[in-house]
Amino acid sequence: RKEVEQDPGPFNVPEGATVAFNCTYSNSASQSFFWYRQDCRKEPKLLMSVYSSGNEDGRFTAQLNRASQYISLLIRDSKLSDSATYLCVVNPPNTNAGKSTFGDGTTLTVKP
Amino acid sequence: DGGITQSPKYLFRKEGQNVTLSCEQNLNHDAMYWYRQDPGQGLRLIYYSQIVNDFQKGDIAEGYSVSREKKESFPLTVTSAQKNPTAFYLCASSIRVGTEAFFGQGTRLTVV
Repeated sequence: RKEVEQDPGPFNVPEGATVAFNCTYSNSASQSFFWYRQDCRKEPKLLMSVYSSGNEDGRFTAQLNRASQYISLLIRDSKLSDSATYLCVVNPPNTNAGKSTFGDGTTLTVKP
Repeated sequence: DGGITQSPKYLFRKEGQNVTLSCEQNLNHDAMYWYRQDPGQGLRLIYYSQIVNDFQKGDIAEGYSVSREKKESFPLTVTSAQKNPTAFYLCASSIRVGTEAFFGQGTRLTVV
């Protein structure tokens, strides 16, 4: 089993739709979590951090479920510009335990 | 402007040659990372450094070498021992391991 697994894509949705991605992780002691967005042939860019209490930024909501060991990203009112690959990142419990683990990404295509 | 800079953006190498990719950051970050991304794939960690004069192997370090003589700089050398070096190489930095990472624009290396 991979340390971090994401929903297989691609997700093809119409404009205005609500779409959600999940990302499961295997290390129950993981401490911090992030979502990144990567456009085609570009570098990943930080989208948002994921806090225990949840985190909302406009149309984007990130949540953490420690009991089931997954994080989620919800996008409401999808825009064409949301088309990208979304990567989740899971970090170890302390700075000496290793490094961040990236998921392989979920591709979203928003269509007119 | 603060940021992380990779150069060159495109690089062509003949088989059997070593090549060095540059990565510089002026964010005063302690941690720096090198990732490799192949088409349609996720990010794989090559090396990371938590602090100056220290670095650790990632998941695919064979055929690569790094140095961290200055806080701002973390160059990656792709040696002739790397059998399939054609890929998109991404450098990132963060305040410390486990915090939000910021990426450079990447270097596309092609072996000809």
